[in-house]
Amino acid sequence: AQSVTQPDIHITVSEGASLELRCNYSYGATPYLFWYVQSPGQGLQLLLKYFSGDTLVQGIKGFEAEFKRSQSSFNLRKPSVHWSDAAEYFCAVVFTGGGNKLTFGTGTQLKVEL
Amino acid sequence: GAGVSQSPSNKVTEKGKDVELRCDPISGHTALYWYRQSLGQGLEFLIYFQGNSAPDKSGLPSDRFSAERTGGSVSTLTIQRTQQEDSAVYLCASRLIQISGELFFGEGSRLTVL
Repeated sequence: AQSVTQPDIHITVSEGASLELRCNYSYGATPYLFWYVQSPGQGLQLLLKYFSGDTLVQGIKGFEAEFKRSQSSFNLRKPSVHWSDAAEYFCAVVFTGGGNKLTFGTGTQLKVEL
Repeated sequence: GAGVSQSPSNKVTEKGKDVELRCDPISGHTALYWYRQSLGQGLEFLIYFQGNSAPDKSGLPSDRFSAERTGGSVSTLTIQRTQQEDSAVYLCASRLIQISGELFFGEGSRLTVL
């Protein structure tokens, strides 16, 4: 069955530390992949997306993500976290060939310690 | 306005009442989605409209839920005979026709069923 999984419900990092948020999917082909961020009291904002080509994609706010076909993963990274990065992060997937429905993971809540 | 607009931002209703939630997408966006976000849950797909095509209703949880989109613009999500488990934030999003386009989200309508 097609699915998207974010294994970490909560993550806490210190300001200035590096960050990696995990996202895995289950699908027989390469889907379209997205990361969204939801800050408290705000709507969801697109951080970055991958459709094809270079497997390392750069996004806004200093985030990047790497698509690894062999691991069915699309992990989000940031070299140095800022306190303002505290938010909830959602991985989302369009399973190509199944319409244009965007399927979201359950999210990872990021806490940043000063 | 420039973004996706949703109303009301907050709605408190009694169990058994009907509610209507409204979404004004970004002008010119042909695709419109409704999602539901419950406490501690990810975003649950409800329904997707694309131009004049038949909507993808595969995510509607029961026949108490319905949605329409008039004139290819404004959409209304209707929940009949509300139940307590319907309490959630209902998010609307829109994008241009191509799937590679960014999905823009409104700030949501928070529904509380007493």
